[in-house]
Amino acid sequence: NAGVTQTPKFQVLKTGQSMTLQCAQDMNHNSMYWYRQDPGMGLRLIYYSASEGTTDKGEVPNGYNVSRLNKREFSLRLESAAPSQTSVYFCASSEARYLPYEQYFGPGTRLTVT
Amino acid sequence: QQQVKQSPQSLIVQKGGISIINCAYENTAFDYFPWYQQFPGKGPALLIAIRPDVSEKKEGRFTISFNKSAKQFSLHIMDSQPGDSATYFCAGAAFNAGGTSYGKLTFGQGTILTVHP
Repeated sequence: NAGVTQTPKFQVLKTGQSMTLQCAQDMNHNSMYWYRQDPGMGLRLIYYSASEGTTDKGEVPNGYNVSRLNKREFSLRLESAAPSQTSVYFCASSEARYLPYEQYFGPGTRLTVT
Repeated sequence: QQQVKQSPQSLIVQKGGISIINCAYENTAFDYFPWYQQFPGKGPALLIAIRPDVSEKKEGRFTISFNKSAKQFSLHIMDSQPGDSATYFCAGAAFNAGGTSYGKLTFGQGTILTVHP
């Protein structure tokens, strides 16, 4: 099992460009999450999907959109990148109904917006 | 708003010493308090978790102490080893949010632990 996979691993964008971060999990989990990690700020939830077909905003959703493509895949889109979106992005999944505190994280995408 | 406050931001400990990381929370709806460990270049991974009806939980060298009245909890790493050098995050999790268990985690700011040999 690969667990949670994310692509790409690294990306450099210019201000105003768009891109989609891809995430997939093979653990048959119902819930999926997107976080950003910034120094001194911890991990902040951008969007989450409690189950296939549902998505909801987290703590810092502005400037992002998500798509829960199917049970396995959850993508994060930046429509018009800004330098403030320079960060490390993590996707996670969980079976929140049974273990609500245990999330499995991907390896992250390091994004730089110039 | 930061509902979970974590300190210190960084911590340096000698091999064999005790590492202590503290967290304070505001949301009394939290049902679980997990700790995550993150090595450089990797995603965080669950280390240990505690429920608020328990005052202490121990797994090997890792212990969570929980003080419900003070709304504080802490991670103690006994006999700290260089391999424990990582970033540690505390978090709060609400099992039921609006009647559905979304399992959202609210993380603290993180503590960078360095254990010198």
